[in-house]
Amino acid sequence: DTGVSQDPRHKITKRGQNVTFRCDPISEHNRLYWYRQTLGQGPEFLTYFQNEAQLEKSRLLSDRFSAERPKGSFSTLEIQRTEQGDSAMYLCASRRTSGRGGANVLTFGAGSRLTVL
Amino acid sequence: KNEVEQSPQNLTAQEGEFITINCSYSVGISALHWLQQHPGGGIVSLFMLSSGKKKHGRLIATINIQEKHSSLHITASHPRDSAVYICAAPAGGTSYGKLTFGQGTILTVHP
Repeated sequence: DTGVSQDPRHKITKRGQNVTFRCDPISEHNRLYWYRQTLGQGPEFLTYFQNEAQLEKSRLLSDRFSAERPKGSFSTLEIQRTEQGDSAMYLCASRRTSGRGGANVLTFGAGSRLTVL
Repeated sequence: KNEVEQSPQNLTAQEGEFITINCSYSVGISALHWLQQHPGGGIVSLFMLSSGKKKHGRLIATINIQEKHSSLHITASHPRDSAVYICAAPAGGTSYGKLTFGQGTILTVHP
């Protein structure tokens, strides 16, 4: 297993365009989390999934943001009508909630950096 | 909501020095995370601890549940330790993934 993968690593887009990020978690991890990190700040929680169910969304996730995890494996985060304030690093992390050794330890992806011009 | 504060925000050290980074949080928790972030964004989980002390190589993390305080120590610091160190606590006290993050401590170790 190669860990948590995120794609693309960098995205530059013009204001008003839609963008989609993908996260492939570690295969046996049932929980998947999205965070956003702006420059000089710590990450902020956006949303998380238990398998394919989206269990919670932060108030930071406006109606322009939507996240899915259709088959309980990879997840996508889509931002519609991007604004300059959406420029940030979007981080994905996953964990498993049971099993011996390593349960509950978060594994992060390298992040997808979004620049909105 | 858990409020997480880290200090210092910036830390400069000479190679070999003992480093301490502090973290305090406002709501009782099940476990606290220490994370390392290198330039370029990748985050690595260093420790998840709920009591006492954990050690991994030159890194030591301690937590005092009653005082809602944790520290990360680096012994014999090295330039490759230069990174941002972030502590994170469960937002509602019990979650292992819905976290509130500190602002991070930027550590620079000079040779």
